[in-house]
Amino acid sequence: GAVVSQHPSWVICKSGTSVKIECRSLDFQATTMFWYRQFPKQSLMLMATSNEGSKATYEQGVEKDKFLINHASLTLSTLTVTSAHPEDSSFYICGSSGGVQYFGPGTRLTVT
Amino acid sequence: DAKTTQPPSMDCAEGRAANLPCNHSTISGNEYVYWYRQIHSQGPQYIIHGLKNNETNEMASLIITEDRKSSTLILPHATLRDTAVYYCIVDTYNTDKLIFGTGTRLQVFP
Repeated sequence: GAVVSQHPSWVICKSGTSVKIECRSLDFQATTMFWYRQFPKQSLMLMATSNEGSKATYEQGVEKDKFLINHASLTLSTLTVTSAHPEDSSFYICGSSGGVQYFGPGTRLTVT
Repeated sequence: DAKTTQPPSMDCAEGRAANLPCNHSTISGNEYVYWYRQIHSQGPQYIIHGLKNNETNEMASLIITEDRKSSTLILPHATLRDTAVYYCIVDTYNTDKLIFGTGTRLQVFP
């Protein structure tokens, strides 16, 4: 199946700072990628759809000014958590589009 | 809301077959049944998908009832490494906006 990578795999940051998470499709071109968030002991929740060359579409309740998504190329989508707070601590996962959806390994964000 | 219902947890002895059920009574004619699993602190791993026929690959078999309202994922010889949360999802083929339910936590024991 398709290979999706994420970087970093884990990150710790201080409250008020911004964190960028990268999602790369390694063996295919992705015009669309998806960003999910997973809190402990909960299921994955879709946050937004990342569209190459255009604006992302966000799910209801997700602040687009807080979670900035950039999809500047067919192999890279980035999620920037701006002015992070402890409640943003979570496991962030990206997924590919087309046919079967494949997922990255996830990024664990801890905001202190 | 997720379109599927699954038991919250199941146990299986190592080496035995694990049969994980899923109900999807409102599935549409063009929707596939997808199965993923998530091992602790990792991204979901694709297992198998099907439309109406039974499917088998190197990981598992998928049995879909004739009315398509339910399905069963079969891991023929479970190992300890199969311990994970298994998600059954219905969606059209070009998957988008996958809606994850709570899944089934499968515990394989020695």
